[in-house]
Amino acid sequence: KAGVTQTPRYLIKTRGQQVTLSCSPISGHRSVSWYQQTPGQGLQFLFEYFSETQRNKGNFPGRFSGRQFSNSRSEMNVSTLELGDSALYLCASSPLTRGMDNEQFFGPGTRLTVL
Amino acid sequence: QQQVKQSPQSLIVQKGGISIINCAYENTAFDYFPWYQQFPGKGPALLIAIRPDVSEKKEGRFTISFNKSAKQFSLHIMDSQPGDSATYFCAAIEGLKAAGNKLTFGGGTRVLVKP
Repeated sequence: KAGVTQTPRYLIKTRGQQVTLSCSPISGHRSVSWYQQTPGQGLQFLFEYFSETQRNKGNFPGRFSGRQFSNSRSEMNVSTLELGDSALYLCASSPLTRGMDNEQFFGPGTRLTVL
Repeated sequence: QQQVKQSPQSLIVQKGGISIINCAYENTAFDYFPWYQQFPGKGPALLIAIRPDVSEKKEGRFTISFNKSAKQFSLHIMDSQPGDSATYFCAAIEGLKAAGNKLTFGGGTRVLVKP
C-alpha cells in the first residue's frame, strides 16, 4: 500500500504570496490532519478533515485554511505569507476520526520557505 | 501554553546503553499517549502507544512507563543502537472523550547513539 504523499516537497515563496499544499492519504483513509513543524514551536496541530468536513481546528490564524475532497485528498492554503510561516508542513492520514488506537500515518512533509 | 513537556531536548548514549525520555502533561482529558520517531527528511512514525489504565507497555527494545497520578510518562530504549538515532516525540490525545485525531506533541528529544 502506498504511503501518504505530499506535493510539492519543497517550496519557496515571498512574503504576501499565498500557497497551496496537497496531501494524498493512504487508500481507504478518510481522516486527514495537518501539522506545522518548526524548530521553535515544534509540532503543532493545524486542522483535521473527515469526510470533507473540518472536525478539529488548532490555534492558527484564519490565513491558514484547508479542505478535503470526496476522494479524501486534502489541500491546505496559506494566504498572505509571513516569514514566520516558514516550516515543514506535515499531513497525516488515518482510517477513522476516533483518536484512540487509531494510528496516524505521516507523509514526508512539504518544506515551505518564505523569503 | 505547552500542554506536554518533554525532556531532555537531546541526549547522547553509547551503543548498548539505555536512552530515557520523560514527558509530563497537564490536561487530564488526555487518555492516549503515543510516541513517535522521526528521522531527518521523514515524517514522524508511530513507535509505541499506551493507555492510562496500563502502567507499562513493552514492544521489543522500547518500553513506555506511565504514572497517571503524577501525570508523567517515559520512553526507555534498551540496548540502544546507532539506527535508533532520531528525534523522538511524545504525544497525547483525547481519544475517547472527543472525536478527532488532534495530537498534542512534546517538544522532541534528539537522540544520538554512538557506536
